[in-house]
Amino acid sequence: AQSVAQPEDQVNVAEGNPLTVKCTYSVSGNPYLFWYVQYPNRGLQFLLKYITGDNLVKGSYGFEAEFNKSQTSFHLKKPSALVSDSALYFCAVRDAYLGNNAGNMLTFGGGTRLMVKP
Amino acid sequence: DTGVSQDPRHKITKRGQNVTFRCDPISEHNRLYWYRQTLGQGPEFLTYFQNEAQLEKSRLLSDRFSAERPKGSFSTLEIQRTEQGDSAMYLCASSPASGGITDTQYFGPGTRLTVL
Repeated sequence: AQSVAQPEDQVNVAEGNPLTVKCTYSVSGNPYLFWYVQYPNRGLQFLLKYITGDNLVKGSYGFEAEFNKSQTSFHLKKPSALVSDSALYFCAVRDAYLGNNAGNMLTFGGGTRLMVKP
Repeated sequence: DTGVSQDPRHKITKRGQNVTFRCDPISEHNRLYWYRQTLGQGPEFLTYFQNEAQLEKSRLLSDRFSAERPKGSFSTLEIQRTEQGDSAMYLCASSPASGGITDTQYFGPGTRLTVL
C-alpha cells in the first residue's frame, strides 16, 4: 500500500523568509512523488515531481523539493516566501511497485495550509 | 490547451436525488481520473479511464456511483440516491497519452456537491 503523511496542518512564515512544507511517504517499491497547490475554490495545480535522478527537483513559481530516500521524505521548499504563496499544499505518491496494470492512482496527504504574512 | 473543465462548478441537491457531473479533459489526453475531496482532507482516488475503458475503481465507489467515458473524450460521474455523506468536491484530472505511470495529472476546478 502507498501512503503519505503531511505532519503539519499549517505552516506560518513571514514574507521573504524561507519556507518548508514537510511530506513523508510509505511505498513498497520506488516512489513517484508529486506536489500540488490548491487555491480557494480551485482545483489542484501541479508544482513539481520526482521520478528518478537528481534528488533536488525544481518546479513552478520558484518552488523546489528534496527527495530523501533514507528518511522517506519529500519536503517542499522555497528560498523566499511571497504572500501570494498562501494556499493549501498537497503531497502525493504513486508506488512504482504497482506497475502499469494497476492504474495511475495517486495517494494524497491531508494537506498543509501555508500562511505567508507581510 | 484550455485545461481540464468541469460542469457544473456547484450543485446543490436534496437527499435521494440523482446528480451527474461532466469532465472535459485536456485534448489529446487519453487518461482521465476522478477524485473526491472532503473538507479538510486530501483528494481520494475514485476511478480511472484509459480511453473509454474504465481500468480501475476504488472501494470508495459504491454501487450508487457510476462513471462513463463513452467515446474516450469527456466523462460523466453519476451519483444515484444521493446521501449527505456524498457532499464533497469532485475533481477530475487528465494525463497525456505519451505518459506512463510517471505522468503528471492535471486537475480541473472541481464540482462542489452539497446534499441537503
